[in-house]
Amino acid sequence: KAGVTQTPRYLIKTRGQQVTLSCSPISGHRSVSWYQQTPGQGLQFLFEYFSETQRNKGNFPGRFSGRQFSNSRSEMNVSTLELGDSALYLCASSLAPSGLDTQYFGPGTRLTVL
Amino acid sequence: EDQVTQSPEALRLQEGESSSLNCSYTVSGLRGLFWYRQDPGKGPEFLFTLYSAGEEKEKERLKATLTKKESFLHITAPKPEDSATYLCAVRGRFSGGYNKLIFGAGTRLAVHP
Repeated sequence: KAGVTQTPRYLIKTRGQQVTLSCSPISGHRSVSWYQQTPGQGLQFLFEYFSETQRNKGNFPGRFSGRQFSNSRSEMNVSTLELGDSALYLCASSLAPSGLDTQYFGPGTRLTVL
Repeated sequence: EDQVTQSPEALRLQEGESSSLNCSYTVSGLRGLFWYRQDPGKGPEFLFTLYSAGEEKEKERLKATLTKKESFLHITAPKPEDSATYLCAVRGRFSGGYNKLIFGAGTRLAVHP
């Protein structure tokens, strides 16, 4: 079974631009969560989607948004990029939301903001 | 405050030198503790899930145990390929009825031949 895939793998943007990242979950998984990972803050939860509905949200500004499609694929968008948004963005999928299911991570998208 | 603390931050071992990594938590309503391994520039790789105190899981040279307040990841006779950052995550129940996964900062393990 194919794992979680994320595109693109690497991205370079400048301050003020916006960016969209994509995540395809493991086949059959309906829950997708997004995380930001930086050396200083570690893994920080952004949001979780299940059946096209946002189920949970972390403490990030409104510039960070996401959505999920009917095929469970998910996108996250960051508008008005800041230097501090440079990070590894990770997507994780699981069978069900907010329960005892294990989350499986994708390889991540490395975003660099110049 | 709900939090997850991992120790030590970094650990250097000689090949074959067994040791343990610690993950302590203060999350209410524990709904699972997860161990992941992460190699540089890659996404975390799932290792174990533990649900209740006293539970143990094993995989090759790794063994994870869980008590009411902490979990240990024991590494027996490690090899250089075990070098990675090991992340602990705890899922707990928060106000509003939502469950959230909180990650520790990780332990960077380096195993030298």
